[in-house]
Amino acid sequence: DQQVKQNSPSLSVQEGRISILNCDYTNSMFDYFLWYKKYPAEGPTFLISISSIKDKNEDGRFTVFLNKSAKHLSLHIVPSQPGDSAVYFCAARKSGGSNYKLTFGKGTLLTVNP
Amino acid sequence: SAVISQKPSRDICQRGTSLTIQCQVDSQVTMMFWYRQQPGQSLTLIATANQGSEATYESGFVIDKFPISRPNLTFSTLTVSNMSPEDSSIYLCSTKLAGGEFNEQFFGPGTRLTVL
Repeated sequence: DQQVKQNSPSLSVQEGRISILNCDYTNSMFDYFLWYKKYPAEGPTFLISISSIKDKNEDGRFTVFLNKSAKHLSLHIVPSQPGDSAVYFCAARKSGGSNYKLTFGKGTLLTVNP
Repeated sequence: SAVISQKPSRDICQRGTSLTIQCQVDSQVTMMFWYRQQPGQSLTLIATANQGSEATYESGFVIDKFPISRPNLTFSTLTVSNMSPEDSSIYLCSTKLAGGEFNEQFFGPGTRLTVL
C-alpha cells in the first residue's frame, strides 16, 4: 500500500522554466511533508518542508504547495537550473510523540536541459 | 546538519552470506534510522536505533534478518543476514538532529548491495 505517491517517474524541463513535481498521499494522519533531493551515489538531502497548517512554504527558488483537501502537494522550482537535475522524493510524517518515521514516494527524476 | 559516512559504499555478495554496514555520524545523536531502497521502489524504514536501547523494527522487518547495533552516540551497524537476491538494495542510514523543526532527517550516501 503506497501511502505517498509520485506518479511521474520523470520530468524534463528547459533551463529557466518552471519545474513542477507532484505528490499525492492517502493517509490523512500525515501532518508534515518534506521534499528531498538525491544525486547519484549520494544520500537524499533535505530541501524544503511544509506543515499541514500551511498551504505554502517558500525558500528561494523552491516553493511547496499543500492542498490538504485533495491530499496533494507540489514542489515548484523557478527558475530551473541544470544543477537541479536529480531525483526528488516526497516524504510524509505523522505528527505527535516520538514518531519520526518518514514515508517516502518512489521519486521523480528531474532533468533540466541547458 | 550532520555529516554521515557509510562503509562499504557498495558490495557484491553471495547468497547465504551476511554483510555488516557501518554508519558513522560526525556528531552525537540520539536517534539513527536504517532505510532500504529496493530497485524502483521508495525508501522504506527498516528500524530505528536509539543508543542504549533495543532497535525498533518496522512491520515486515525482523531482528534475526537485520540485526542492528548502536554502541555509542555516533555509530551504528546494520547486518543483512543470510542474504538472498531479494536483499539487493541500497541501504541508507540517517539521523535526526535535536530541535529540527520538521524533524528532517540527514542521510548517509548509502551502501549499494548486490546479492548473486
